[in-house]
Amino acid sequence: DAGVIQSPRHEVTEMGQEVTLRCKPISGHNSLFWYRQTMMRGLELLIYFNNNVPIDDSGMPEDRFSAKMPNASFSTLKIQPSEPRDSAVYFCASSSRTGPDTIYFGEGSWLTVV
Amino acid sequence: KNEVEQSPQNLTAQEGEFITINCSYSVGISALHWLQQHPGGGIVSLFMLSSGKKKHGRLIATINIQEKHSSLHITASHPRDSAVYICAVFGNQFYFGTGTSLTVIP
Repeated sequence: DAGVIQSPRHEVTEMGQEVTLRCKPISGHNSLFWYRQTMMRGLELLIYFNNNVPIDDSGMPEDRFSAKMPNASFSTLKIQPSEPRDSAVYFCASSSRTGPDTIYFGEGSWLTVV
Repeated sequence: KNEVEQSPQNLTAQEGEFITINCSYSVGISALHWLQQHPGGGIVSLFMLSSGKKKHGRLIATINIQEKHSSLHITASHPRDSAVYICAVFGNQFYFGTGTSLTVIP
């Protein structure tokens, strides 16, 4: 299995630009999670989906952030407009059970907003 | 207020030593995860616990639901165990500890 696949791996963008991060979960997994990691705040859960439906988006920092899961094999996290404080590593993870079973993480998308 | 507290924050050990990392939490949970993050950023889920004890190779994880406490033990530590270990709990949402940075010296 290829594991959880994220793209891009690295992105540098200017403040105000739109950023789209992509995630392909492991085939057959029905839960998908987006996390953000920074030095200051550590690892934070942004949103998670079960069966393509957003269950808890209370971790999404503000309206500039949005996430979609149009089908079982693809999800996006969009930031519009981006700000320097959004600079972080964004991880996607998937799980095969509803709720917190073994989680498999992608390698992360390293975002720098200048 | 942190719902998940880990100790120690930093740990340096000699190769071969027995290592213990502790995690205490204050919320009701249905499961607890131990995660490992290597330099370079990749995160691996080591264990998911809801009760008792699990063992995988040199790693042992225990949880005491009544005391809201979990420990991760590494026996015969090796330099390749050097990583950040993160405790995460799931109640009605995920809460994360700030991690324990482990360095094992040859």
